[in-house]
Amino acid sequence: KNQVEQSPQSLIILEGKNCTLQCNYTVSPFSNLRWYKQDTGRGPVSLTIMTFSENTKSNGRYTATLDADTKQSSLHITASQLSDSASYICVVTSYGGSQGNLIFGKGTKLSVKP
Amino acid sequence: IAGITQAPTSQILAAGRRMTLRCTQDMRHNAMYWYRQDLGLGLRLIHYSNTAGTTGKGEVPDGYSVSRANTDDFPLTLASAVPSQTSVYFCASSEQGSGANVLTFGAGSRLTVL
Repeated sequence: KNQVEQSPQSLIILEGKNCTLQCNYTVSPFSNLRWYKQDTGRGPVSLTIMTFSENTKSNGRYTATLDADTKQSSLHITASQLSDSASYICVVTSYGGSQGNLIFGKGTKLSVKP
Repeated sequence: IAGITQAPTSQILAAGRRMTLRCTQDMRHNAMYWYRQDLGLGLRLIHYSNTAGTTGKGEVPDGYSVSRANTDDFPLTLASAVPSQTSVYFCASSEQGSGANVLTFGAGSRLTVL
């Protein structure tokens, strides 16, 4: 069964610290993996998208990595800011599928404290 | 500002009543989707439409119907609401219906069925 598991479920860090969120998937065949940021009370917003051949992609202070062999991805946030407080959702697409084949993780809720 | 507009923002509804959640996009995206987001379950696809005039069922379609009369609008109807349909509903769109495209989400509609 295609699944996306994210860890930790929630995380609290101090402003200025770095953190890493994990995403493990069993989706096959694999097409791409995306990370979305969802602020409280808002819809998710895309941060990065990576295909099979890409193993790292950055978007400002956000860096996503992908290991297609172990089926793992991570999202590293550098020098966290209060505005980074949000849920981060990992989404994996199965190759050749329509949007009906997007598999969503349950998200990691990050709280950045001053 | 280009994007997706959802209405209403929130609604309390008596069980058995009919309710339509509205979704309009101004990006001329071909594909549109409805998701529900529940605590601990993540985002689940209800219905989708890859192009005007066509619709498809997602993971949790029972109790919901959609129509796609034109490119911009994709309303979601609950014919006879039940308490288990209490959720936050997100409309989304993408340029095409393939899994390669990034989703753009609306701000969500919070529905409470009593």
